[in-house]
Amino acid sequence: QQQVKQSPQSLIVQKGGISIINCAYENTAFDYFPWYQQFPGKGPALLIAIRPDVSEKKEGRFTISFNKSAKQFSLHIMDSQPGDSATYFCAAGGSYQLTFGKGTKLSVIP
Amino acid sequence: DTGVSQDPRHKITKRGQNVTFRCDPISEHNRLYWYRQTLGQGPEFLTYFQNEAQLEKSRLLSDRFSAERPKGSFSTLEIQRTEQGDSAMYLCASSLGQAALTQYFGPGTRLLVL
Repeated sequence: QQQVKQSPQSLIVQKGGISIINCAYENTAFDYFPWYQQFPGKGPALLIAIRPDVSEKKEGRFTISFNKSAKQFSLHIMDSQPGDSATYFCAAGGSYQLTFGKGTKLSVIP
Repeated sequence: DTGVSQDPRHKITKRGQNVTFRCDPISEHNRLYWYRQTLGQGPEFLTYFQNEAQLEKSRLLSDRFSAERPKGSFSTLEIQRTEQGDSAMYLCASSLGQAALTQYFGPGTRLLVL
């Protein structure tokens, strides 16, 4: 049973465009939703996170939108840059462990 | 750099051998986690410690796997009688106190079992 579903699997965006990655979760006990960025051969790096008491959180070019009733959340990367090319993982947590999506490979082309 | 560190970064071993990985968490972080990541997948939870106590183990953690955090600081993950299916990236993460879910990951140890 996949508790966190992430889409799309891969995404190609032109430089300066908006990258949008979506996730859906099933377990209503989840109350923490982070996004991680991972480059090849490296560990995941925490980008931004949200709790369900807010519908949106913005940090620089990264924004999380959260829809509690739909059990969905998304990552928006504004003004996407080639350096943003990486794999992005959404995750959800309820007490101690994080449950991750399968990842989205983002390629930003010049 | 005071981030999470892991050693070794890469390990190649033959099937049936034992391997041990080490994780040093961020200073003062009392919680330490082990995750496993296979190609094309997100990290999967294996186990976690609060200080020196191992509080939870995933069903993914077979009896060939053992983890310790003897003094509540660094941790080791040992895999006995390795199998080809153990080939993966083993990730360590740490967090602090009430922000338990704000987990910071290390660079991982890439294991290849031949």
